[in-house]
Amino acid sequence: EVHLVESGGILIQPGRSLRLSCAASGFTFVDYAMHWVRQPPGEGLEWVSGISWNSGNIAYADSVKGRFTISRDNARNSLYLQMNSLRADDAAFYYCVKDSGDYGDFGGPFDYWGLGTLVTVSS
Amino acid sequence: EVVLTQSPGTLSLSPGERATLSCRASQSVTTNYLAWYQQKPGQAPRLLISGASSRATGIPDRFSGSGSGTDFTLTISRLEPEDFAVYFCQQYGRSGPWTFGQGTKVEIK
Repeated sequence: EVHLVESGGILIQPGRSLRLSCAASGFTFVDYAMHWVRQPPGEGLEWVSGISWNSGNIAYADSVKGRFTISRDNARNSLYLQMNSLRADDAAFYYCVKDSGDYGDFGGPFDYWGLGTLVTVSS
Repeated sequence: EVVLTQSPGTLSLSPGERATLSCRASQSVTTNYLAWYQQKPGQAPRLLISGASSRATGIPDRFSGSGSGTDFTLTISRLEPEDFAVYFCQQYGRSGPWTFGQGTKVEIK
């Protein structure tokens, strides 16, 4: 059974940095691209960033480009999101999401989601 | 960037009724790479439909998707109590950005 477990969400002040982690199990992690998707409480979904199996293909939403960095460690079956210069509008649940595309690259729907970790940005 | 607009914002129906949800894209969706997700309070989204019309594993056949190009529909033929939730459409593919509609809430009338 696929499990994606996010961690690292906290209450943090604007301008600070935070690193989110996602532990994956139940599938061959290295075979799939992964994404981060966020959702402010009570609002809609926003794709944040995606990374291919070997980190050779990385994409960011314009809203986070230059501030966030996605990475993965295939030996540890883990996905990360380094978030710098946090702003109030970055506050959201952050979901770790598996891409079902072939050959470890983007291209499929998002078939498994973690339960999310909450990032609150406030002074 | 493909902008997805869902309608209506809220659908008030009774169990057993048919639900029809719309998702309109600002430009044609490549190869009908259009998915639908269901989200219940306090839970992560769950994939229902991909490729505009293919049900994901384990999804009941009362859920069906249709459409192509810029106009897509999710139909729930007979609402069960567990179907009252928020539904999102999404366009996906080999490159970003991946975008979602703003959601349609299906609530009990």
